Amino acid sequence: QQQVKQSPQSLIVQKGGISIINCAYENTAFDYFPWYQQFPGKGPALLIAIRPDVSEKKEGRFTISFNKSAKQFSLHIMDSQPGDSATYFCAAFITGGGNKLTFGTGTQLKVEL
Amino acid sequence: KAGVTQTPRYLIKTRGQQVTLSCSPISGHRSVSWYQQTPGQGLQFLFEYFSETQRNKGNFPGRFSGRQFSNSRSEMNVSTLELGDSALYLCASSSDGANTEAFFGQGTRLTVV
Repeated sequence: QQQVKQSPQSLIVQKGGISIINCAYENTAFDYFPWYQQFPGKGPALLIAIRPDVSEKKEGRFTISFNKSAKQFSLHIMDSQPGDSATYFCAAFITGGGNKLTFGTGTQLKVEL
Repeated sequence: KAGVTQTPRYLIKTRGQQVTLSCSPISGHRSVSWYQQTPGQGLQFLFEYFSETQRNKGNFPGRFSGRQFSNSRSEMNVSTLELGDSALYLCASSSDGANTEAFFGQGTRLTVV
């Protein structure tokens, strides 16, 4: 059962453009939604995270938008740079349920010059 | 502060053999989670250990097992290896049960031939 669905699978964006990755979840017990960035040969690294009591969170060029009623959340990367080329994973977590992350399937982002 | 260390980085094993992977968490972290990453299934949760006790378990067969030592270092073992066990195995450490930030190691790339 795919509890966190992520789209698109891959994305090509021009330098300076906006990259948008979408995720949807099913389990309403999830209460923490992090995004991870993974470069080849490396483990995932936490990028930004949000709780469902907030509709938007911004850190630098990265913004998470959260729609609790629709059970959807998305990552926006503003002014995308070639260095942002990586695989991005959304994830969901239940606070108090131990450190168990449920991941989306990943989006391979390529930012072209 | 040293990050999460996984050893070995690469491993080649023959079908039917068993393998043990090691993870040293960030100093002071008591929670260690293990994930399997494959192109087809993405990142899937294996299990989590907290203070030497398994606290969460994913949907993997009993051939996958783990343990945690008093110094929080963790090992996972896979017995009777199958070709489908070829994957990147990642471990993540967190400071305690309520902390939602998980720090990942670089992973162990296991190839079963």
